Formats: sequence, structure tokens, C-alpha cells
Amino acid sequence: QVQLVQSGAEVKKPGASVKVSCKASGYSFTRYAMHWVRQAPGQRLEWMGWINPGNGNTKYSQKFQDRVTITRDTSANIVYMELSSLRFEDTAVYYCARDGVGATISRFDSWGRGTLVTVSS
Amino acid sequence: EIVLTQSPGTLSLSPGERATLSCRASQSVSSSFLAWYQQKPGQAPRLLIYGASSRATGIPDRFSGRGSGTDFTFTISRLEPEDFAVYYCQQYDTFPVTFGQGTKLEIK
Repeated sequence: QVQLVQSGAEVKKPGASVKVSCKASGYSFTRYAMHWVRQAPGQRLEWMGWINPGNGNTKYSQKFQDRVTITRDTSANIVYMELSSLRFEDTAVYYCARDGVGATISRFDSWGRGTLVTVSS
Repeated sequence: EIVLTQSPGTLSLSPGERATLSCRASQSVSSSFLAWYQQKPGQAPRLLIYGASSRATGIPDRFSGRGSGTDFTFTISRLEPEDFAVYYCQQYDTFPVTFGQGTKLEIK
């Protein structure tokens, strides 16, 4: 079955960067896009961007365009999300989520358990 | 971007009752590229409905969705104790993907 295993919680200072990983298993890694979604405390889900693991193409929400980088390692079936210039308001749970159709932007049919990133001085 | 507004914010019902949740889009969502998710405390969201009315794999038939354009509805026909959670709608028709603010379904 599809499994998405994310890296552990992080505590970072303002201005630093964080890199969260998502290891996929149980399906053909290069056939399905991977999305990143975050959820700040008490807030709605917020889509950050996605990657086509097959060719490495990415697309980011304009809100995060200047600060987020999504990459992949096809030899290890891992997708990474790096967020730079962290601010207090970046404190959130970050989820990876598999696209439910393929190398597209559609519904998200499998999710990781989430990685809590806390930005604190 | 498309703004999704869910109502009500909180819905208090008893097990066995029917729950009806609403999701309204700021502009038309074509081809019914709308999904519904359930999220329980400390857990990731779970896909329930996609394409406005299609149930995801393994989702019981007490969950249903309908709608088109700017108005969508999600219904749980008979509430089970495990259904009390937060529900989000999502549109994936227009970039960027957006989510509603959620409806909390609580036990009355």
C-alpha cells in the first residue's frame, strides 16, 4: 500500500532554512506528482507547491515562490521541501501528499503524517 | 485565486443524524474539480470525495457529495461516532489549489 514517511519535527530560528523529507513506497514513484501542504495552528490547509518526480518539474504557489524549493531523489524515492528565510508565522505542520491521478494537480489521495516545524528565537 | 467558504463553521449533531455541509467558491469550479477531506486531531487529512461526487477508495456510502459551479454540498446520511471531525473542501481546477476554512462536526 502507499506509504509516505516524513522526517521528524524541527525547531529553527527566524531567518534559517528547514528541509523536510518524504519517503514514498508502495507505488511507482515517478508516475505520481507529490504536493506539499502546510497547516498553521488553527488555520486552513495551504498548498505550497508540487513536483513531478518523473522529470523534476516543479510549480509553486506565488505566496511561497521566492522561499520554497521542492526536489526529489529518484534513487531513494524521496521528495524534499526546503523553506528558507523562516519567519515565526511559518510555524506549522508540513504534509507531503500524493496526487491521486498522476503527474498532475488534482486530489490528494495519500498523505504523510506531517512534520511539525517550529520557528522560535 | 479561488476562495472557498465553508458553512457552517461548527455543526453540532448527534450520532444517527444527517449532516449537511456547504462549500461555496468565489468563482466557478469547472468540471467539478472539487474534493472533500476529513481530518481528525493530530492526523493528516483523508480523501473522502473527489470530482464533487465520487467516493474515494474504501469510503462508506453514507458519505456523499454533490454540486457544480460555485455551490457544493457534502452529506453524511447517518452519523457514526467516528465521523466527528473537521471537514475541508478543496478545489483543484484553478492554480493555485485552495482549501476551505473547514467545518467542525461535533457531538451534540
